Amino acid sequence: AQSVSQHNHHVILSEAASLELGCNYSYGGTVNLFWYVQYPGQHLQLLLKYFSGDPLVKGIKGFEAEFIKSKFSFNLRKPSVQWSDTAEYFCAVISNTGKLIFGQGTTLQVKP
Amino acid sequence: ETGVTQTPRHLVMGMTNKKSLKCEQHLGHNAMYWYKQSAKKPLELMFVYNFKEQTENNSVPSRFSPECPNSSHLFLHLHTLQPEDSALYLCASSQEGTFTDTQYFGPGTRLTVL
Repeated sequence: AQSVSQHNHHVILSEAASLELGCNYSYGGTVNLFWYVQYPGQHLQLLLKYFSGDPLVKGIKGFEAEFIKSKFSFNLRKPSVQWSDTAEYFCAVISNTGKLIFGQGTTLQVKP
Repeated sequence: ETGVTQTPRHLVMGMTNKKSLKCEQHLGHNAMYWYKQSAKKPLELMFVYNFKEQTENNSVPSRFSPECPNSSHLFLHLHTLQPEDSALYLCASSQEGTFTDTQYFGPGTRLTVL
């Protein structure tokens, strides 16, 4: 069965540090990939998505993610984090059965 | 109200109780979803409704019974639940019922089964 792995469960950074959250998926076919974010007390919302084309995808709030097919990865990056980026981040992939499969999530804590 | 709303936000129930969770979307979407988020586990898709018709039941036990009277409302009826059913239940909606559509999530109902 398809799966999504987020290896970093809890990340703590200082403001202005660079961020990279790992996401690996197990499906070898055509994939559609997503990053969702949940800020404290807010709804889960889409950060960015990749369906095809340029493997470097830019999302909201300065986030970007790079699809590397050979590594089955879709890591999320931001060059300089802010305190307001404190949230839980979820990677997701559409499986070959058409279902959206989520990773376990990574909690990011940014210290001011 | 805008977006996706869910009521109640918190619910505590005994194993013999019957309760319902409500979800309403104000986005004019045609598809609605129920997800379960348990501690330390990924979000799990439970049900999908597209134009009021159930198109996905992800092997959910019958003690969870969904109802979609129209494209704007989705219910999850709960009956004789188990303590392991305690979780955050999230509702989402999208324009169409394909997973490539952006899904918009509600705030969730935190359910505790005693």
